[in-house]
Amino acid sequence: NAGVTQTPKFQVLKTGQSMTLQCAQDMNHEYMSWYRQDPGMGLRLIHYSVGAGITDQGEVPNGYNVSRSTTEDFPLRLLSAAPSQTSVYFCASSAQGLAGLEQFFGPGTRLTVL
Amino acid sequence: KNEVEQSPQNLTAQEGEFITINCSYSVGISALHWLQQHPGGGIVSLFMLSSGKKKHGRLIATINIQEKHSSLHITASHPRDSAVYICAVRSGGSNYKLTFGKGTLLTVNP
Repeated sequence: NAGVTQTPKFQVLKTGQSMTLQCAQDMNHEYMSWYRQDPGMGLRLIHYSVGAGITDQGEVPNGYNVSRSTTEDFPLRLLSAAPSQTSVYFCASSAQGLAGLEQFFGPGTRLTVL
Repeated sequence: KNEVEQSPQNLTAQEGEFITINCSYSVGISALHWLQQHPGGGIVSLFMLSSGKKKHGRLIATINIQEKHSSLHITASHPRDSAVYICAVRSGGSNYKLTFGKGTLLTVNP
């Protein structure tokens, strides 16, 4: 199993550009989430999904959209990138509740917005 | 919102030393996670516990629900243990959201 995969690993955007961060898991997990990690701060939840077709906002959802059309994929869309979105983004999945059983994290995407 | 505090922020040890990292939280929880993040970024789940103590190899995690405190211990530390250790809690009312501490950077010198 590949586990949780994320693409791209690195990305540089200009202010106002849009892009999609990809996340996929092959463990048939119902629960998936997106976090951002900034220096001096803990991981913060952006959006999460409890199953295909169901998504909800986390702690810092502004400027991001998500969808969950399949169990495997959970893309994160930046509609109009801003320098404040410069961060490292992690996707995670788990079998029972986002905070229940073991969380499996992807390798992360390092995003820089100029 | 639950506040999660970790101490120390940074810890340097010599190989073989016994390491303790602490995590305190402000509101009652239903579960606490310990995670490890190596340089280069990958995050791995070490433990999830809601009471008592768990052990895996040289790692031991304990939690005291009454005192709202958890500790992660590393016995016979090794340079490969160098990483950021992150505590995260699930508050009782929320099955879907974790609150994370800022992490403890551990450096083990040979």
